[in-house]
Amino acid sequence: DVKVTQSSRYLVKRTGEKVFLECVQDMDHENMFWYRQDPGLGLRLIYFSYDVKMKEKGDIPEGYSVSREKKERFSLILESASTNQTSMYLCASRNLQGPSSYEQYFGPGTRLTVT
Amino acid sequence: ILNVEQSPQSLHVQEGDSTNFTCSFPSSNFYALHWYRWETAKSPEALFVMTLNGDEKKKGRISATLNTKEGYSYLYIKGSQPEDSATYLCAGLGTYKYIFGTGTRLKVLA
Repeated sequence: DVKVTQSSRYLVKRTGEKVFLECVQDMDHENMFWYRQDPGLGLRLIYFSYDVKMKEKGDIPEGYSVSREKKERFSLILESASTNQTSMYLCASRNLQGPSSYEQYFGPGTRLTVT
Repeated sequence: ILNVEQSPQSLHVQEGDSTNFTCSFPSSNFYALHWYRWETAKSPEALFVMTLNGDEKKKGRISATLNTKEGYSYLYIKGSQPEDSATYLCAGLGTYKYIFGTGTRLKVLA
């Protein structure tokens, strides 16, 4: 089974702190994604990565950056956390080969609260 | 794909009832339509990936249909059970990324 893990389930940070959210997948997937989910809104794409060291902005990249130094790990960085970044953050990976190609596999999410 | 809409937003049904939800999407630049089931405190789990007009897929009591020409997909649950309670998300895959709907929250009452 594909497994996508995220470093924390719950996180509380102060305004202005630099925050790292880590995501690791164990199936050698090329693509990885970071989403946030807020009440009344669908999952919104923050950043995605086609492959190692490659990244593309999603729909709401402001206030975030990402890093993909290794294929299995995709990190989301909040340079200076703000209260409007309080949200549920979901990481996903996707395989481009085989019968389950284009199917996304999600991590369990990190609920971040910025106070 | 610019916008994906789901209806209803939430739904309460009695155990044993059958139910269905709708996902609508613009039919241009369409590549695939995904359905996910998201239970509280768990990861969203893929139910179906659908690509062809007229596609019908089934997994146990859950099935889905796809109409790419008119831009909608239906998800059906036959004989709902309390364990079906979850949020059901659909996502349209366009040129390179997914656009998610806001989900339908289903509560099955025992």
